[in-house]
Amino acid sequence: DIQMTQSPSTLSASVGDRVTITCRASQSISSWLAWYQQKPGKAPKLLIYKASSLQSGVPSRFSGSGSGTEFTLTISSLQPDDFATYYCQEYNSYSPATFGGGTKVEIK
Amino acid sequence: EVQLVQSGAEVKKPGESLKISCKGSGYSFNSYWIGWVRQMPGKGLEWMGVIYPGDSDTRYSPSFQGQVTISADKSITTAYLQWNNLKASDTAMYYCARWPSTMTALDLWGRGTLVTVSS
Repeated sequence: DIQMTQSPSTLSASVGDRVTITCRASQSISSWLAWYQQKPGKAPKLLIYKASSLQSGVPSRFSGSGSGTEFTLTISSLQPDDFATYYCQEYNSYSPATFGGGTKVEIK
Repeated sequence: EVQLVQSGAEVKKPGESLKISCKGSGYSFNSYWIGWVRQMPGKGLEWMGVIYPGDSDTRYSPSFQGQVTISADKSITTAYLQWNNLKASDTAMYYCARWPSTMTALDLWGRGTLVTVSS
């Protein structure tokens, strides 16, 4: 199975900061990577698919990049609504479609 | 409205059986994969498996193969996740989510079903 490793596991930042989260795959997944945002007590929300495609309705301050085994999610200017946990997910095939361990973005 | 509506919270005892549901509406249910995701208390997301309601093609994560059963009834646009022998370690929130194709990802999520297994 493909392993997905996110870093950091926790990130402290301030409103207006540029934030970058990294996700590494244990083998090449081409561009088959998604990013989700989850707030406490809520279901995850799709932000980015196919490594860099912005899901409809998601603010443009979110962007994704990478291919192969290394990927990043960038928030260009952190907003109060962005404090949440972020997960990457590979979907090289329909199953398994492994998630990363998550990155919690906290208020500094 | 396009939505996935999951069944309500459950409290069960170890060894009992359980089937939770996920009803799709507002879209062509048969034409989209439905995935199931586990989230144990305070932990991250875990992929369990997926089903294509159109032909019931089902694929499991190796971690969950043999532990749960995923099924669907396309006549009532509902997917299911089932256990035959619950354990305390099955205590978690379970989400269903729609997966249009491998060109995208899990784009529509249910609100989750909390399953508590305790003696």
